[in-house]
Amino acid sequence: DIQMTQSPSSLSASVGDRITITCQASQDITKYLSWYQKKPGKAPKLLIYDGSNLETGVPSRFSGSGSGSVFTFAISSLQPEDVATYYCQQYDSVPFTFGPGTTVNIK
Amino acid sequence: EVQLVESGGGLVQPGRSLRLSCVASGFTFGDYAMSWVRQTPGKGLEWVSSISWNGGTILYAGSVKGRFTISRDNAKNSLSLQMNSLRPEDTALYYCAKGGTTSCFSRLDVWGQGTTVIVSS
Repeated sequence: DIQMTQSPSSLSASVGDRITITCQASQDITKYLSWYQKKPGKAPKLLIYDGSNLETGVPSRFSGSGSGSVFTFAISSLQPEDVATYYCQQYDSVPFTFGPGTTVNIK
Repeated sequence: EVQLVESGGGLVQPGRSLRLSCVASGFTFGDYAMSWVRQTPGKGLEWVSSISWNGGTILYAGSVKGRFTISRDNAKNSLSLQMNSLRPEDTALYYCAKGGTTSCFSRLDVWGQGTTVIVSS
């Protein structure tokens, strides 16, 4: 199975800050990685797919980059509504594993 | 509006069975792969199973293989998950999710609100 790790596990930043989250796969997954936003009591929401493609309707302050085994997710200007847990998921090979999540809070 | 609505969750004893359902609306159901993903209490997300647009490809996580069966009825816009030999570790909120393409190897771009399964004696 491909193991997914995320760093940091949590972070606090000020409104307007740029934040980044790193997701590392235990082997090459080419570009097949998605990023999801999860708020308590809400369904996960797709933000980024195929490593860097912004899902329709998602604000442009969200972005993704990377390929192979290391990927980066960024929020260019953190907003209060971005408080959530963010998960990466690989869909290159079965099982389609998720990372452990990164909790983002406002400082 | 694209929507997925799950049902069928509940409290069940270990070793018993439960069947989850998901009804889709707002898109051409038969054009997309579908999946089940669960979130265990206080933990993260775990992919459970996926089925391609026509049911030709079916995939399972190792933790449920041989116990769970995914199926779909494109005429009824519905997805199901038959869960047998349930274990306490299957306790979770189960989400139905739409794939971005016909293939199981795809992003999950629409999610339902989930249905809760509790396995306990």
